[in-house]
Amino acid sequence: DAGVIQSPRHEVTEMGQEVTLRCKPISGHNSLFWYRQTMMRGLELLIYFNNNVPIDDSGMPEDRFSAKMPNASFSTLKIQPSEPRDSAVYFCASNIQGHQTDTQYFGPGTRLTVL
Amino acid sequence: GQQVMQIPQYQHVQEGEDFTTYCNSSTTLSNIQWYKQRPGGHPVFLIQLVKSGEVKKQKRLTFQFGEAKKNSSLHITATQTTDVGTYFCAGPRSGGSNYKLTFGKGTLLTVNP
Repeated sequence: DAGVIQSPRHEVTEMGQEVTLRCKPISGHNSLFWYRQTMMRGLELLIYFNNNVPIDDSGMPEDRFSAKMPNASFSTLKIQPSEPRDSAVYFCASNIQGHQTDTQYFGPGTRLTVL
Repeated sequence: GQQVMQIPQYQHVQEGEDFTTYCNSSTTLSNIQWYKQRPGGHPVFLIQLVKSGEVKKQKRLTFQFGEAKKNSSLHITATQTTDVGTYFCAGPRSGGSNYKLTFGKGTLLTVNP
């Protein structure tokens, strides 16, 4: 089975540009998470969806960040306008809420560089 | 808010030496998970501990969950170069959904062959 799929794997953009990161969770998983990883702050949860509904977006840094999950097999994280401090690796993860373990399955990540 | 602390931040060992990383939570955890992230890779689930005082082994890796369910450790016996990576512990956020994890900052292990 395919794991969590993320695209693009690398993104280099200039400050002020819009960036859209994409994620396809594992089929059958009903929870999806967006994380940001930096050296300084480690792995931070940005937003959590359950059954395509945003449950907790308290980790979203500011209004420049938005996330959507239009259906069970697709989610996007958008940054508009992007800033150099947004440079990080963005991971998407999914799991099955209600399953015995809370194991989260991470995608390969998108390395974002904002110049 | 809930904090999950890991020590050490970095550890460099000679191949064959043992390695231990420690995880401490500011609150009692219902369970704790460990993940490994290879350089340039993504976190991969290793194990979950649920019971107070639980000990689990995976080949050369031994995981422990403290009696008070606020701390945990990962011990690797006779490290190999394939063990290189960052090891994270993670626990569910207290007072909220059991499915939202707070990750420690991780311990980066490097192994000199």
